[in-house]
Amino acid sequence: GAGVSQSPSNKVTEKGKDVELRCDPISGHTALYWYRQSLGQGLEFLIYFQGNSAPDKSGLPSDRFSAERTGGSVSTLTIQRTQQEDSAVYLCAVGRYQETQYFGPGTRLLVL
Amino acid sequence: AQSVAQPEDQVNVAEGNPLTVKCTYSVSGNPYLFWYVQYPNRGLQFLLKYITGDNLVKGSYGFEAEFNKSQTSFHLKKPSALVSDSALYFCAVRDSQDTGGGNKLTFGTGTQLKVEL
Repeated sequence: GAGVSQSPSNKVTEKGKDVELRCDPISGHTALYWYRQSLGQGLEFLIYFQGNSAPDKSGLPSDRFSAERTGGSVSTLTIQRTQQEDSAVYLCAVGRYQETQYFGPGTRLLVL
Repeated sequence: AQSVAQPEDQVNVAEGNPLTVKCTYSVSGNPYLFWYVQYPNRGLQFLLKYITGDNLVKGSYGFEAEFNKSQTSFHLKKPSALVSDSALYFCAVRDSQDTGGGNKLTFGTGTQLKVEL
């Protein structure tokens, strides 16, 4: 996706391990979103950052999930004590407030 | 709460024929509607959006969509399909009244479009 990179592109981990996923947007996008795409399902909203405001964490599925955004730019999504049901593609999107969201290529997470 | 329905898991069409991918939505206020396309092992690419104005919206790669308020629909169309259009298509909605909700998009479950020779 234009303007957004994500790393790693693929991640295989063992159940119970922690993982950290990274989203690196180009500057100028004040809004940043994380979504999860599970096999055979649509996209599920996880968390939203807008400028210096408190993030909207309403989509996080459990307290094992957390995210931060440093300096209004790079964001990391952390999943602690991973479970097999966490296996999915994690997508980051950016946009200016109330405008179109542009997605990164995603991180494909597989928990064994 | 906002929701989106894409009633067809898969749509098959012959190359050169017109295609339609269906989408209906439900919101409390006015809808902001989007179509995205996803090619295998890729992220989502923005195709087009409806915010306000003309009900017929034109987007990338010859796609267009028609907003129908009375039927709460936003079907994606293309007059002549190409094999290269084969991909997964997602409809999404945001409620204009959802200013406190972070402007998050609610997506449909996706429709797999297969264009054959």
